[in-house]
Amino acid sequence: EAQVTQNPRYLITVTGKKLTVTCSQNMNHEYMSWYRQDPGLGLRQIYYSMNVEVTDKGDVPEGYKVSRKEKRNFPLILESPSPNQTSLYFCASSLGTQSMNTEAFFGQGTRLTVV
Amino acid sequence: ELKVEQNPLFLSMQEGKNYTIYCNYSTTSDRLYWYRQDPGKSLESLFVLLSNGAVKQEGRLMASLDTKARLSTLHITAAVHDLSATYFCAVSRDDKIIFGKGTRLHILP
Repeated sequence: EAQVTQNPRYLITVTGKKLTVTCSQNMNHEYMSWYRQDPGLGLRQIYYSMNVEVTDKGDVPEGYKVSRKEKRNFPLILESPSPNQTSLYFCASSLGTQSMNTEAFFGQGTRLTVV
Repeated sequence: ELKVEQNPLFLSMQEGKNYTIYCNYSTTSDRLYWYRQDPGKSLESLFVLLSNGAVKQEGRLMASLDTKARLSTLHITAAVHDLSATYFCAVSRDDKIIFGKGTRLHILP
């Protein structure tokens, strides 16, 4: 089954404690992306990756890091989380924004609370 | 800077009625996307529109794209309760993707 898997689904952490949210896809997609969703703001892109070892900033990259060492995995790293990073996070993958078939598949989301 | 605006942000309508959600964007784009999100759930892809004049339909939903006006519409025909959800449009440009704030649609039985 084609899917994007995020872990964990829920996470409560304390300010400053490094954390990683994992994202894995099984569709051999080249393009992967992280978003945060906040009430009234829609989804905002944090980082995206066009392929292995190719990453770039989205609209709200401050306070986040990513890596793309393998095609299937795209972890989101918060080196020193702060309360304003409390949000719902989604990972997504697709063949790419320039492909004819650019339908994106989203993970189930990670609800992060930073206290 | 690419910006995406959706209207309306909230919509309450009766079953059986027709309505349209509008998505305006500020600069030229590569692709336009429509997604659906049910409460507490992830996003589901509805349509990807590639070129001017593109029209796609799935059931009671029809999406269209006018690149000259930088406008996409999502038309709902004879709404049913199952279509209650939040609908997002998104635009890609130079591999970045910008979402609108979403339209929360509530269909009354």
